[in-house]
Amino acid sequence: AQSVTQLGSHVSVSEGALVLLRCNYSSSVPPYLFWYVQYPNQGLQLLLKYTTGATLVKGINGFEAEFKKSETSFHLTKPSAHMSDAAEYFCAVSDRGDSSYKLIFGSGTRLLVRP
Amino acid sequence: NAGVMQNPRHLVRRRGQEARLRCSPMKGHSHVYWYRQLPEEGLKFMVYLQKENIIDESGMPKERFSAEFPKEGPSILRIQQVVRGDSAAYFCASSPFFGGENSPLHFGNGTRLTVT
Repeated sequence: AQSVTQLGSHVSVSEGALVLLRCNYSSSVPPYLFWYVQYPNQGLQLLLKYTTGATLVKGINGFEAEFKKSETSFHLTKPSAHMSDAAEYFCAVSDRGDSSYKLIFGSGTRLLVRP
Repeated sequence: NAGVMQNPRHLVRRRGQEARLRCSPMKGHSHVYWYRQLPEEGLKFMVYLQKENIIDESGMPKERFSAEFPKEGPSILRIQQVVRGDSAAYFCASSPFFGGENSPLHFGNGTRLTVT
């Protein structure tokens, strides 16, 4: 069965510093990969996704993630953190094909941005 | 361009009561999914529906939980005889097509159920 591991339930960075949120997955076949952001008391917003093609994926709000098959990783980065980036971030995977709607989520990483 | 609409945003029920959660998908979307988020956890898939059909309910608890998506009106997630362990955020998502890389899920803002 697939699983997703997000290292670090809380990550704290200073405003302007690099943001790195880690995500590793376990799957025998490369899945679809997603990052979602959740602001307090809101739903999930899709930041970016990897399905095929270029392994470096650019998303909204200056975020990007790189799919590394050899490391089974899909870490999320942003060069310079902004106060508005403070939120909870979820990595998710799904099978390719008929059950691609069934997302498997990690437990989330709460990003804190210090002024 | 309204997104996925869920109501109510917050719902408080006493143990033993029924909870009804509603979800209207995005315009043009005919596929609806329900996910549950327990405190301090990621979302977990519950059920996938199309109009008048349950396609996949593999994530639904076997008892007390049911879902429907009628021909007219919103999708409904119903929890009978709620217990404290049902307290969670319930998210609905919709998509225009069935699966695939061009059919990402769009999530609503969720209904936060509290059972007292």
